[in-house]
Amino acid sequence: SAVISQKPSRDICQRGTSLTIQCQVDSQVTMMFWYRQQPGQSLTLIATANQGSEATYESGFVIDKFPISRPNLTFSTLTVSNMSPEDSSIYLCSVEGGAGRDTQYFGPGTRLTVL
Amino acid sequence: QKEVEQDPGPLSVPEGAIVSLNCTYSNSAFQYFMWYRQYSRKGPELLMYTYSSGNKEDGRFTAQVDKSSKYISLFIRDSQPSDSATYLCAMRESGYALNFGKGTSLLVTP
Repeated sequence: SAVISQKPSRDICQRGTSLTIQCQVDSQVTMMFWYRQQPGQSLTLIATANQGSEATYESGFVIDKFPISRPNLTFSTLTVSNMSPEDSSIYLCSVEGGAGRDTQYFGPGTRLTVL
Repeated sequence: QKEVEQDPGPLSVPEGAIVSLNCTYSNSAFQYFMWYRQYSRKGPELLMYTYSSGNKEDGRFTAQVDKSSKYISLFIRDSQPSDSATYLCAMRESGYALNFGKGTSLLVTP
């Protein structure tokens, strides 16, 4: 499986500011994904990021709030913009994997607290 | 009704017990089924992956999928304190979006 790292591992931010989360993979992958894990809730897909194309957002998530970059096959960033306390969550990136690229492997997550 | 239902627990068992974790789902189009283990303050770790119905065994872990009942299970034999974690079921259709349960918290006591 791929080795995935995320930066920062945690942060505490003020309301109205923005935070950019980085995701680095140790091998080239076509598909990268960003998820949110809110307390007591299921992991929820925010968007799919393919290299060389615009990210595809799931219902309820918009580019202005969660802009994503995918400059190459091993790296992606997610920005949480104009944050409010409701954005306090764990943000996880994942990559396609498995023999048939049928499953996903996750990074360690970024724990965000918005005051 | 959420697409994937999972009892949050907590589930507490003595060391050596057989653990049964379950999820039900409502979307008959789900084809790919996964179990992840998540330790506190860590990312989800893929444990088992199954396509369509049937059983799959890997060491102490067995995954079962019953598509006719829309029910999946993960069995852990000879449970160990190191198995204490949150177990997440996940499933998807032919696309890439994974649909997760909320996770079941498991505690294995020595």
